Amino acid sequence: GAGVSQSPSNKVTEKGKDVELRCDPISGHTALYWYRQRLGQGLEFLIYFQGNSAPDKSGLPSDRFSAERTGESVSTLTIQRTQQEDSAVYLCASSPSLASTDTQYFGPGTRLTVL
Amino acid sequence: GQNIDQPTEMTATEGAIVQINCTYQTSGFNGLFWYQQHAGEAPTFLSYNVLDGLEEKGRFSSFLSRSKGYSYLLLKELQMKDSASYLCAVTPGEGNYQLIWGAGTKLIIKP
Repeated sequence: GAGVSQSPSNKVTEKGKDVELRCDPISGHTALYWYRQRLGQGLEFLIYFQGNSAPDKSGLPSDRFSAERTGESVSTLTIQRTQQEDSAVYLCASSPSLASTDTQYFGPGTRLTVL
Repeated sequence: GQNIDQPTEMTATEGAIVQINCTYQTSGFNGLFWYQQHAGEAPTFLSYNVLDGLEEKGRFSSFLSRSKGYSYLLLKELQMKDSASYLCAVTPGEGNYQLIWGAGTKLIIKP
């Protein structure tokens, strides 16, 4: 079936504006993760969802960041009052469950540029 | 704390062999992943190790020593398309479902 998809692929916004990023996981995958990757750096965990359980929000860098997911479907990551340091690629990944052995499958990412 | 170390960059010659090392210090351990990430693309899964020893998969092999907190990814018969970043990630387990990611090793293949 289809892989993880994300939209938009690129987003340019002005400082102070809100942005919403979307992730469509692989059908049947109960776990969904959001990461941030700054240029030339590793992946920074933001949040994960597992089914209908409470999400782990411990990686969200500030209260300007929030994410939602309804059931096992689409997730949205919202960044309010964007700052230049928010510029990065935002990657979404899904896996069949949270089991340690489960591979995470990544989407192509959304490249966010805050001017 | 949680820490994963990898070399920042390595260079190798087409047709040769290269070993990319990863050392980790984490609060727990329940497996180690290697991912490949080409420039401008998403990471893709290469291997998973949870027991000590070598796992071979075609031209790529991954090794783990839990007592030493050490893993390596071995790439044989290097091809130009192997030029990419290689990310090491540890799953601490024990109810912690966040993968701890290294910063990645950028591998440059020269003809």
